[in-house]
Amino acid sequence: GAVVSQHPSRVICKSGTSVKIECRSLDFQATTMFWYRQFPKKSLMLMATSNEGSKATYEQGVEKDKFLINHASLTLSTLTVTSAHPEDSSFYICSAHLGGSYGYTFGSGTRLTVV
Amino acid sequence: DAKTTQPPSMDCAEGRAANLPCNHSTISGNEYVYWYRQIHSQGPQYIIHGLKNNETNEMASLIITEDRKSSTLILPHATLRDTAVYYCIVRVGAMEYGNKLVFGAGTILRVKS
Repeated sequence: GAVVSQHPSRVICKSGTSVKIECRSLDFQATTMFWYRQFPKKSLMLMATSNEGSKATYEQGVEKDKFLINHASLTLSTLTVTSAHPEDSSFYICSAHLGGSYGYTFGSGTRLTVV
Repeated sequence: DAKTTQPPSMDCAEGRAANLPCNHSTISGNEYVYWYRQIHSQGPQYIIHGLKNNETNEMASLIITEDRKSSTLILPHATLRDTAVYYCIVRVGAMEYGNKLVFGAGTILRVKS
């Protein structure tokens, strides 16, 4: 079945630094990838939609300069949290979509802690 | 975009069927109903999806009412490992919007021995 690999699973970084999270579709080409953020005991919040070869579409209220998304190939999307602050600490999850009515496959998530 | 309503939590005895309801009264004709679940600190796991007809796979069954305003996810023999948050999602948008999945609050299912 379709597998999405997300790396790293956990990362701790200092305030002011940038962190890159990778999302790879291992056995299929993803026409679209999505990035979500999840706070403790809360549901997933969609941050942005990433399309291969074009600019990401950000949801309202998500800072595009803060959360840089690059989808350079059909198998890789990256989320870079720039100039991270403690309030950026969260669980970040990516998802890939095959297209059409196919299901969505999710990565295992990245726990980001900014100290 | 169609919204969904789910009970915040449910309990189920191990070995019994777990029936998780979802209301989506504003669903439009070309929108699918998807079910996902999330075990603590993991990414969501796809369970099943459907448009009009009932669907069954190795994990669960999906029963969609004839008017499509509600659906029920059935886990036929719940185990302790089925304890998770279950999300009922109606697929939103047209192709140009990337068919994004928007998550609601979901139902916390607790399977108890």
